[in-house]
Amino acid sequence: DTAVSQTPKYLVTQMGNDKSIKCEQNLGHDTMYWYKQDSKKFLKIMFSYNNKELIINETVPNRFSPKSPDKAHLNLHINSLELGDSAVYFCASRNAGEGELFFGEGSRLTVL
Amino acid sequence: AQRVTQPEKLLSVFKGAPVELKCNYSYSGSPELFWYVQYSRQRLQLLLRHISRESIKGFTADLNKGETSFHLKKPFAQEEDSAMYYCALLTGNQFYFGTGTSLTVIP
Repeated sequence: DTAVSQTPKYLVTQMGNDKSIKCEQNLGHDTMYWYKQDSKKFLKIMFSYNNKELIINETVPNRFSPKSPDKAHLNLHINSLELGDSAVYFCASRNAGEGELFFGEGSRLTVL
Repeated sequence: AQRVTQPEKLLSVFKGAPVELKCNYSYSGSPELFWYVQYSRQRLQLLLRHISRESIKGFTADLNKGETSFHLKKPFAQEEDSAMYYCALLTGNQFYFGTGTSLTVIP
């Protein structure tokens, strides 16, 4: 009964490639997020969608493009991968107006 | 502007000793604060939130508006408490996380 699931869990790729990470939540939440956790474990918000609409877009290179086909899914597509993109990417969800944020298990991206 | 500050990146305590993980925040409104924990290679999960005022796994945290703090405390640390702890502030729809404190409990 996974609440927030991400695929793939591990991704190793070459610089310059394009890759996607998928996220799905079965909690019925209306808001979904992408966070980046770098090598120092710093957790930084990247994007937030509420009912398929983008509501937060922090300073992130435009090589990163989120897509929300419906409110249960928020996918992250990354173009022209760079070494600095290596990190663990966490998807999360919640209902707007409620507190708790539920996280996925993370997707560890390694760019060689 | 950094809204959540966790001054200690690393913290080591002996098993059975008290532990306190510090968190300070800056927010002019009425804050909603959380502690999240990430055990080794696991997802982040909610540990506790200030509005519930409950103790989880022996941890408590009190919101001190005068000092703008929300420190996490446990009187007797256990080895299984070793993890990464994040303090988080919710404003509107956005969660601001601190930089995290890695707690190691030494047997």
